[in-house]
Amino acid sequence: AQSVAQPEDQVNVAEGNPLTVKCTYSVSGNPYLFWYVQYPNRGLQFLLKYITGDNLVKGSYGFEAEFNKSQTSFHLKKPSALVSDSALYFCAVRDRYSGAGSYQLTFGKGTKLSVIP
Amino acid sequence: SAVISQKPSRDICQRGTSLTIQCQVDSQVTMMFWYRQQPGQSLTLIATANQGSEATYESGFVIDKFPISRPNLTFSTLTVSNMSPEDSSIYLCSGNREEGGTIYFGEGSWLTVV
Repeated sequence: AQSVAQPEDQVNVAEGNPLTVKCTYSVSGNPYLFWYVQYPNRGLQFLLKYITGDNLVKGSYGFEAEFNKSQTSFHLKKPSALVSDSALYFCAVRDRYSGAGSYQLTFGKGTKLSVIP
Repeated sequence: SAVISQKPSRDICQRGTSLTIQCQVDSQVTMMFWYRQQPGQSLTLIATANQGSEATYESGFVIDKFPISRPNLTFSTLTVSNMSPEDSSIYLCSGNREEGGTIYFGEGSWLTVV
């Protein structure tokens, strides 16, 4: 079974400061890892993913995430937060070897990011 | 990114009725999925929509309650049957283009059952 934990329901950060949204995962094999963002009254937008290769993944809107296999983590980061980054962020995982017939992404419960002007 | 459009975007429905949500994707999408996001909750996969055959449902979801069709590669429908207030959710259509590829989401259909 695969699972995702986002330990913080809410993260508050001042505009211009660096931000981190935490995610840890559990899979039986090697993971595909994703971050999505949901703005108010909108669907999910893809930010970035880790499939293989470099542990530091760069994505949309200046976000990046670092894959740490030993800590089974995939924290989302941004060097300088913007007020417009305020949204709900979801981490998701899929076991790479779950089989061709299973594409189920398991999502974390989400972290609400509030960037304070 | 894949283009995924859904309709209706929002609806208020009466208890006991059924509503069909339509999803159109671009031609490069291969797999299509339906997710549910209950208020204040995360996303849960309802089923994988299979072209020309019955959908593959996840545990806790059944065809009688959530019939799904996918008559061709780029179109799918999800019906929420005999709705109750507990069905008030966002229903999201999604798709990807290749094995292990990114799953993209539509804007969602926000249903409120009264």
